[in-house]
Amino acid sequence: ETGVTQTPRHLVMGMTNKKSLKCEQHLGHNAMYWYKQSAKKPLELMFVYNFKEQTENNSVPSRFSPECPNSSHLFLHLHTLQPEDSALYLCASSPGQGAGEQYFGPGTRLTVT
Amino acid sequence: GDSVTQMEGPVTLSEEAFLTINCTYTATGYPSLFWYVQYPGEGLQLLLKATKADDKGSNKGFEATYRKETTSFHLEKGSVQVSDSAVYFCAPRPSSASKIIFGSGTRLSIRP
Repeated sequence: ETGVTQTPRHLVMGMTNKKSLKCEQHLGHNAMYWYKQSAKKPLELMFVYNFKEQTENNSVPSRFSPECPNSSHLFLHLHTLQPEDSALYLCASSPGQGAGEQYFGPGTRLTVT
Repeated sequence: GDSVTQMEGPVTLSEEAFLTINCTYTATGYPSLFWYVQYPGEGLQLLLKATKADDKGSNKGFEATYRKETTSFHLEKGSVQVSDSAVYFCAPRPSSASKIIFGSGTRLSIRP
């Protein structure tokens, strides 16, 4: 039980669809993260939010659009994705950016057809 | 730049065997060091951590010692179980940066 939940757990979408991934943390943390985990590749940090403000965007294509309305919720809006975007998307939180360890959610397994 | 190198997998062992997964890092200052574990179909979980030189992190029978002189943080367990089958990630957080650097992961499979 990590205190970080993600929905949906599985998502199949076409390249012209628009969908959103949701992450919620119940740990009172102030920093939240999106990671992409693809087969046979290292974990890729996509976005970092600290106190609702985006502090890092690691050259992520604009078809991925994050939103952080408050310190407990993080969304990843998806549109016109490509098949190579199929991956496990992991959300994490930590007490602050650079402070303490990160706690991960179970991930959303995304398949783009 | 800051980086981490860990043993390539997959690693396959028999139950009750001794496990070592090597991890070395390059980081300025005094990084915090973590091992995360990912069980099938799940996200990453913190397994253990060490925040200063010579500290030993331990959890669930796993141990790792912060060796600054060799910039290493090798993961060990004396007697592995089938339930230890998972992917293990070594992850330093350089003191000069905010993000954790994750290794490529080592897949461990334990045979009954």
